Amino acid sequence: ILNVEQSPQSLHVQEGDSTNFTCSFPSSNFYALHWYRWETAKSPEALFVMTLNGDEKKKGRISATLNTKEGYSYLYIKGSQPEDSATYLCASANAGNNRKLIWGLGTSLAVNP
Amino acid sequence: NAGVTQTPKFRILKIGQSMTLQCTQDMNHNYMYWYRQDPGMGLKLIYYSVGAGITDKGEVPNGYNVSRSTTEDFPLRLELAAPSQTSVYFCASSNTEAFFGQGTRLTVV
Repeated sequence: ILNVEQSPQSLHVQEGDSTNFTCSFPSSNFYALHWYRWETAKSPEALFVMTLNGDEKKKGRISATLNTKEGYSYLYIKGSQPEDSATYLCASANAGNNRKLIWGLGTSLAVNP
Repeated sequence: NAGVTQTPKFRILKIGQSMTLQCTQDMNHNYMYWYRQDPGMGLKLIYYSVGAGITDKGEVPNGYNVSRSTTEDFPLRLELAAPSQTSVYFCASSNTEAFFGQGTRLTVV
């Protein structure tokens, strides 16, 4: 994998459902994996930055895992709420230039009340 | 704490005009970035800076210039605006996670 790929592209769930998305990134020369939440008409906001294989991070109902050897990360949302509706972006940095993030296209989540 | 302040929020330019998008951060971050975001596309890096006096091209630098004379400021200059530069522009700064400005919606007609 040369680019950062996210799936699914979009997702519609009912309030209370739990859901998860995938981010695939280049595993060679890995440095860090970022997750951001981007609400319509706002700017992206950081959720997690992960660097170590096996990392698991949690913020409220949202959590993320990281597998650097196979090049993927999962973002989980437990008990989705309408306010979770947003686009979730991931971005990876490699050790060659760890300040240049390569961004995925995002997963657009809509939570229906 | 203002974070990243980006101005203007909206602008309409005529082809061939020039303008500067301003970006200021008050978090003493070393790293600053300019991105553009087009419909259906991800964030594309235009230019970035790892510290005052140092700038580097990103993925789509053509038609833009930047400067970083201070840690706080990272303006983006469009010299001869073209319709292809119609986009939403975001400035960001970081030491670890990135903090974004509010965005500038630019239309070139």
